[in-house]
Amino acid sequence: ETGVTQTPRHLVMGMTNKKSLKCEQHLGHNAMYWYKQSAKKPLELMFVYNFKEQTENNSVPSRFSPECPNSSHLFLHLHTLQPEDSALYLCASSPLVAGYTDTQYFGPGTRLTVL
Amino acid sequence: GQQVMQIPQYQHVQEGEDFTTYCNSSTTLSNIQWYKQRPGGHPVFLIQLVKSGEVKKQKRLTFQFGEAKKNSSLHITATQTTDVGTYFCAGLMDSNYQLIWGAGTKLIIKP
Repeated sequence: ETGVTQTPRHLVMGMTNKKSLKCEQHLGHNAMYWYKQSAKKPLELMFVYNFKEQTENNSVPSRFSPECPNSSHLFLHLHTLQPEDSALYLCASSPLVAGYTDTQYFGPGTRLTVL
Repeated sequence: GQQVMQIPQYQHVQEGEDFTTYCNSSTTLSNIQWYKQRPGGHPVFLIQLVKSGEVKKQKRLTFQFGEAKKNSSLHITATQTTDVGTYFCAGLMDSNYQLIWGAGTKLIIKP
């Protein structure tokens, strides 16, 4: 499946680094999402963008900063992270068409390790 | 807050045995979706249930949506090694297009 791509696939960073995760969807969808997946926890929704507008920020710390320059691209800027932020970060997109019950299409994820 | 509880967290089965995972919501759902995540992979959409009491089948997988649209189940008959992974339910609430995810049930096939 290549509908949603994420780069990098793996990232190791120190607590003082600044890095960015990139997501791109080739499905013509109007909504994009960032999720955090930690071991033994449910998928945690972090941010939602509908038609490039942020509609949800689930109490995410400010060291995570999303950016959605257009409906096909989504970034997650990382700064001064903590070791507990180590997780799999998943990007997803969905059609968001009126009257259509959305199905989410996930990218392969970025495995982030914070040292 | 709105929650979707999913049980069990893990299920160990012998190959050929059946597997079931259950989801229960604290509120009525517009629909419920099921996803599968293989080890090392990402969640992949399996199916969506919309109608009260709906039952859908995909080969050995049977999905049910409760009459009250608050609970759902996924049953796999005669598990195979290809079924290994974590199965997630996700309920769509009435108010928006966001999904509330269950914690997942990990299916493990005993050697």
